[in-house]
Amino acid sequence: ETGVTQTPRHLVMGMTNKKSLKCEQHLGHNAMYWYKQSAKKPLELMFVYSLEERVENNSVPSRFSPECPNSSHLFLHLHTLQPEDSALYLCASSLGQGEWDEQYFGPGTRLTVT
Amino acid sequence: KNQVEQSPQSLIILEGKNCTLQCNYTVSPFSNLRWYKQDTGRGPVSLTIMTFSENTKSNGRYTATLDADTKQSSLHITASQLSDSASYICVVSFTGGGNKLTFGTGTQLKVEL
Repeated sequence: ETGVTQTPRHLVMGMTNKKSLKCEQHLGHNAMYWYKQSAKKPLELMFVYSLEERVENNSVPSRFSPECPNSSHLFLHLHTLQPEDSALYLCASSLGQGEWDEQYFGPGTRLTVT
Repeated sequence: KNQVEQSPQSLIILEGKNCTLQCNYTVSPFSNLRWYKQDTGRGPVSLTIMTFSENTKSNGRYTATLDADTKQSSLHITASQLSDSASYICVVSFTGGGNKLTFGTGTQLKVEL
């Protein structure tokens, strides 16, 4: 894809491992998001960055640590995860933060915690 | 509490048939409603976006309707194709909420031969 890309696409990690998810957007957008999608649950917003500043942190456990080095890249650092953290992690970006700004999603990283 | 409910949870139809997916919301004050299509292993992709003044919006074989009075929306798929097999998610924004979206749990559609 040329819009929003995510790597890796699949990740299996033990509870004591440390790993990072990467997201890159090629759309010139200013806002980037991390969402968690669990089976049969609505998407849950985790973090929002606007112009590299974190503007939203939805009571996410500290074992998830976001990083936004520039407006095109977003990382989610993972450590000491729990099995219930297994889910599809989606990255999205939008031009602005308004309710009319379309969010464009990446393909997601399927995370399995063993 | 802002909520979006979708029905049915899952649906199987034969190729070429039509179907309608439902969305009820309690988001207030309402700003706009989107329907997204999410293929397996992919991120959601927007199909339509509507505000309270729009009753109907089409995107090819997809037609969305909105009744802001009853807070209901539907997505009608005409002449279904195998490639329509996906999850369809209803997403609502509220005025002043910025980029905070309220997502439904989706309807999983499978189109069979």
